[in-house]
Amino acid sequence: EAQVTQNPRYLITVTGKKLTVTCSQNMNHEYMSWYRQDPGLGLRQIYYSMNVEVTDKGDVPEGYKVSRKEKRNFPLILESPSPNQTSLYFCASTKTGAYEQYFGPGTRLTVT
Amino acid sequence: SQQGEEDPQALSIQEGENATMNCSYKTSINNLQWYRQNSGRGLVHLILIRSNEREKHSGRLRVTLDTSKKSSSLLITASRAADTASYFCATPSGGYTGKLIFGQGTTLQVKP
Repeated sequence: EAQVTQNPRYLITVTGKKLTVTCSQNMNHEYMSWYRQDPGLGLRQIYYSMNVEVTDKGDVPEGYKVSRKEKRNFPLILESPSPNQTSLYFCASTKTGAYEQYFGPGTRLTVT
Repeated sequence: SQQGEEDPQALSIQEGENATMNCSYKTSINNLQWYRQNSGRGLVHLILIRSNEREKHSGRLRVTLDTSKKSSSLLITASRAADTASYFCATPSGGYTGKLIFGQGTTLQVKP
């Protein structure tokens, strides 16, 4: 089944404790993105990747890091999480030449 | 920055009625997409309409696009309780296919 998976689905952590949210897709898509969704602000792109070892900032990259060492994986790293990073995070992928994106199920992160 | 603004923000109808949601955008686009999000879950791509198309159908969905007014509408006919969800319009950012700019969404409630 074609899908984007994220782990963990739910995470409660404390300020400053490094964490990684994993994202994996099995569709051989070149493009992958991370979004965060906040009430009243909608979905905003954090980082994106056009292919292995090619990443760039989205609209709200501060406080986040990403890497793309394999085509299927695109982890999101929060080196020192803060409460303002409490949000619902989505990973998405799309293939070259296409526009529709495939989204993962989301990761609900709470930073206390 | 928000590209798409949706109207209404919330809509409540009875099963069997039609639901219409509108989206306005600011810059020139080559396509516009609609996504559905069930509560707290991942977004699912519904339909894409290209800038040279005026109307597109997919099952009970009808999408229109008016590039002169920079607006689009999504019509769901003969709605069902399972259509209860949030609906978002999204437009690609520039020529890059990996980034979408989402509207704030319309929350649709279909009462059985």
